[in-house]
Amino acid sequence: DQQVKQNSPSLSVQEGRISILNCDYTNSMFDYFLWYKKYPAEGPTFLISISSIKDKNEDGRFTVFLNKSAKHLSLHIVPSQPGDSAVYFCAAKDAGGTSYGKLTFGQGTILTVHP
Amino acid sequence: DGGITQSPKYLFRKEGQNVTLSCEQNLNHDAMYWYRQDPGQGLRLIYYSQIVNDFQKGDIAEGYSVSREKKESFPLTVTSAQKNPTAFYLCASSWTSGILDEQFFGPGTRLTVL
Repeated sequence: DQQVKQNSPSLSVQEGRISILNCDYTNSMFDYFLWYKKYPAEGPTFLISISSIKDKNEDGRFTVFLNKSAKHLSLHIVPSQPGDSAVYFCAAKDAGGTSYGKLTFGQGTILTVHP
Repeated sequence: DGGITQSPKYLFRKEGQNVTLSCEQNLNHDAMYWYRQDPGQGLRLIYYSQIVNDFQKGDIAEGYSVSREKKESFPLTVTSAQKNPTAFYLCASSWTSGILDEQFFGPGTRLTVL
């Protein structure tokens, strides 16, 4: 069963506009969430994270929003730039039990930013 | 220049052969991980190690084996028992396996079994 889901396989946005990438999760034990960016044939790089005690975290052009009641988070990129074109993975961590440190990933969303 | 190296970048093997993927880190991290990525899917955890000489199975450990004899090295062996080994393999490390510790990823190895 897919505990972290990114239902949009791809997103296309014009340069300068906002990109919104969405992620849903089902495991209520998740309490730390991360976004990773990945270029083809490279490893993912960490982008931004949010703890479950917050509902928003901002870092430059990137903002992550968390809605715990809806089990939903989103990544906003404003303004979008062509260099942002990549695959974006949502990931979640569960602090409890024996699974601490383990990242559960979504399927990824391919973002294309057109000049 | 700290980081994680994986070699080789591309690897081809015949069906039925075991193959070992290398992962080395010079970040002095205690925890190391192996993930597998398939098209249209997220990364799935194969094995992880919180400390030297210790490792645990992840979600899809069947057909794989690992060792952690040195802090900086965490090789993954894909055995002939792995039914569908062709995939992109990613190694990662973090200071500890704690919840706030960011995982850093290597560049990956694409394994193709012919």
